[in-house]
Amino acid sequence: VQVVQSGAEVKKPGASVKVSCKLSGYTLTELSMHWVRHTPAKGFEWMGGLDREDGEIIYAQKFQGRFVMTEDTSTDTAYMELSSLTSEDTALYYCVPDLIVWGLGTLVTVSS
Amino acid sequence: DIVMTQSPLSLPVTPGEPASISCRSSQSLVQSNGDNYLDWFLQKPGQSPQLLIYAGSNRTSGVPDRISGSGSGTDFTLKISRVEAGDVGVYYCMQALQTPFTFGPGTKLEIQ
Repeated sequence: VQVVQSGAEVKKPGASVKVSCKLSGYTLTELSMHWVRHTPAKGFEWMGGLDREDGEIIYAQKFQGRFVMTEDTSTDTAYMELSSLTSEDTALYYCVPDLIVWGLGTLVTVSS
Repeated sequence: DIVMTQSPLSLPVTPGEPASISCRSSQSLVQSNGDNYLDWFLQKPGQSPQLLIYAGSNRTSGVPDRISGSGSGTDFTLKISRVEAGDVGVYYCMQALQTPFTFGPGTKLEIQ
């Protein structure tokens, strides 16, 4: 499976960001997508994941209410949207299907 | 949340010598099926993380047998029997038993 993520983003505090993750080699419906971010201060943080077996999306409580995972199975593309951004959301965001294959990451910078 | 710790955080190794990394979890990672929900990742310089070991001791495809994972419950170890230059990077353990999945802080292996 190969994963291609969307390009870097620069956002102002309070804004939202949407990152895409396109799969090839497998269809989205064969995998459970997870999103993980990395910051120098906190290391890797798991943000949420889809349990393909029961269709449930589980979000880390830390991001509840401002983090949404969606997918378009017609294009095998997964999306994550994070809202109410602060400088602490400046990070490299990864999609990780089945927690096995990591994308190259999408750098999101939050700055006024 | 399950807290993951690793030691050492920095590991200088001479090529050809063995290396060992410890990972401890604040709760047992044994599932009711007997599997340990502990994975090891390696992030090489300039690259995304790659899965090395899953379920505590199972190597993924392409991982040489000089790299092994062991342990159960709350104590796990990653061992490299003979370190090579290509092994440099940061090694992370991650628990996938309970959401939010959590990562260790990483162990930086470098060649001395």
